[in-house]
Amino acid sequence: AQSVSQHNHHVILSEAASLELGCNYSYGGTVNLFWYVQYPGQHLQLLLKYFSGDPLVKGIKGFEAEFIKSKFSFNLRKPSVQWSDTAEYFCAVRGTYKYIFGTGTRLKVLA
Amino acid sequence: DTAVSQTPKYLVTQMGNDKSIKCEQNLGHDTMYWYKQDSKKFLKIMFSYNNKELIINETVPNRFSPKSPDKAHLNLHINSLELGDSAVYFCASSQHVAEAFFGQGTRLTVV
Repeated sequence: AQSVSQHNHHVILSEAASLELGCNYSYGGTVNLFWYVQYPGQHLQLLLKYFSGDPLVKGIKGFEAEFIKSKFSFNLRKPSVQWSDTAEYFCAVRGTYKYIFGTGTRLKVLA
Repeated sequence: DTAVSQTPKYLVTQMGNDKSIKCEQNLGHDTMYWYKQDSKKFLKIMFSYNNKELIINETVPNRFSPKSPDKAHLNLHINSLELGDSAVYFCASSQHVAEAFFGQGTRLTVV
């Protein structure tokens, strides 16, 4: 079955700390992977995506993610978080005519 | 111009009522979706349409009836609303396996 798991449900960091959010997927076909961010009260916005090629992908707002095929992982990273990064983060894999989301990680950044 | 727009943004209604949510995308995408986000922020696919045809109906009660009059529109009608239907409903669209673009969401509260 297709699934995505995010290990960290709640993360609290101070500004300037480094961030890594875990994501593991289970999918048998060609993998298209995404990270979305949802700021409080807003819709989902794409942070970055991986389809093929360089497994280290860079996205908006200084975020990056690394696709490790052997580990079925697509972890999100940011070297130095800001207060404005406080949001819910979702990892997703493209299935057949649908996107399968992880349960999300709520990140709170303390000023 | 908003890429994916849905109306209304907020909907408060009594149990047993019937309500509709409208969604329009101006991106020229072939595929549209409805997702339900529950109080724990979990995102679950409800329906997906490709070129106006229903592709996925993910064990949604038949009180929920989507309708796609054309490729740019996907509306959601809900009959006999129940308390458990309270959630945020997101419309989204995509072109093939590229990333999905989400609407602003409709917060439905059933009282």
